Amino acid sequence: EDQVTQSPEALRLQEGESSSLNCSYTVSGLRGLFWYRQDPGKGPEFLFTLYSAGEEKEKERLKATLTKKESFLHITAPKPEDSATYLCAVQSSYKLIFGSGTRLLVRP
Amino acid sequence: SQTIHQWPATLVQPVGSPLSLECTVEGTSNPNLYWYRQAAGRGLQLLFYSVGIGQISSEVPQNLSASRPQDRQFILSSKKLLLSDSGFYLCAWSLTGEGYTFGSGTRLTVV
Repeated sequence: EDQVTQSPEALRLQEGESSSLNCSYTVSGLRGLFWYRQDPGKGPEFLFTLYSAGEEKEKERLKATLTKKESFLHITAPKPEDSATYLCAVQSSYKLIFGSGTRLLVRP
Repeated sequence: SQTIHQWPATLVQPVGSPLSLECTVEGTSNPNLYWYRQAAGRGLQLLFYSVGIGQISSEVPQNLSASRPQDRQFILSSKKLLLSDSGFYLCAWSLTGEGYTFGSGTRLTVV
């Protein structure tokens, strides 16, 4: 059964304190791993797609990496505006299967 | 450019009443369309997806149904709402092999 597990459930950081979010997955034939950002009361906003182990992508303070079993979202020197829920998902056939997310709070 | 519209933004409905949520996509043809539900503090659960007009796949047996009367229109319905149908409903679209784009969501509260 395809499954996505994210950890930690919640993370509190001071502004400037770098950290990583984890996404472990099991899927029969990975067609893509996706990272989204979701603000309260809004739809998820696309961040990255990774397709193969060893692939990395960056956007501002965020960097996503992929191995055969997990993905990491690294946040370097975060700012309060980075506070949000970060969702990881894997594509299986036509569907995206999501993890439960990591709620990130960055304090000034 | 492509845009996705989802309405209404919020909805409060009594138990036993009907439901109709609409989602439309502009700027693309033959998109894959999806309905997800998100319970408070939890991840997204896929409810229905459609790869073409009239083609609906259901992921979770429940009190809801979906229809795709036009290429870029996706409707989520219920004949009689239950308290457990409360949640945040999200519509999304994609082209095969590409990522999803989500709408802004509908907050449904069944009272």
